[in-house]
Amino acid sequence: EAQVTQNPRYLITVTGKKLTVTCSQNMNHEYMSWYRQDPGLGLRQIYYSMNVEVTDKGDVPEGYKVSRKEKRNFPLILESPSPNQTSLYFCASSPRGGSTDTQYFGPGTRLTVL
Amino acid sequence: AQSVTQLGSHVSVSEGALVLLRCNYSSSVPPYLFWYVQYPNQGLQLLLKYTTGATLVKGINGFEAEFKKSETSFHLTKPSAHMSDAAEYFCAVSDSDSWGKLQFGAGTQVVVTP
Repeated sequence: EAQVTQNPRYLITVTGKKLTVTCSQNMNHEYMSWYRQDPGLGLRQIYYSMNVEVTDKGDVPEGYKVSRKEKRNFPLILESPSPNQTSLYFCASSPRGGSTDTQYFGPGTRLTVL
Repeated sequence: AQSVTQLGSHVSVSEGALVLLRCNYSSSVPPYLFWYVQYPNQGLQLLLKYTTGATLVKGINGFEAEFKKSETSFHLTKPSAHMSDAAEYFCAVSDSDSWGKLQFGAGTQVVVTP
């Protein structure tokens, strides 16, 4: 089944404790992206990647890191999480990242930073 | 720069009644427009999209939307609501200048009452 998977689905952590949220897709997509969803703000893009070893900042990149060493994986790293990073995070992928491409979303990771 | 405005953060409709969700956009170049749906505890999935051609676009689950350039709108409709339509709906815009980038609206939560 074609899908985007994220792990973990739920995570509660404390301020300053480094964490990684994994994202993997099995559709051989070139483009991958991370979003955060907050009430009343919709989805905001954190980082995106057009292909292996090619990443760029989205609208809200502060406090986050990403890497794209393999085509299928695009982990999101929070090196020193803070409470304002409590949010619902989504990974997405699309075939080439074209403006008309449909993006395919993972199930989400709900992160709480205490 | 693009932006999307969704009128109404919450909409309540009766089962069998018309569903109308409003979306207005701004874009300095011709836009590509999307509606995504998020069911509880799931990721987003594409309902429909407008890229070029026919301005009335049909999507899954009986939804359709019409691109009206003069009104900068892309409202989503469904003639008869079903209980399973209860979800959050997001309008999003991209354009030829925004490779890989989707700008989302704040979302509209739809409640369907018996």
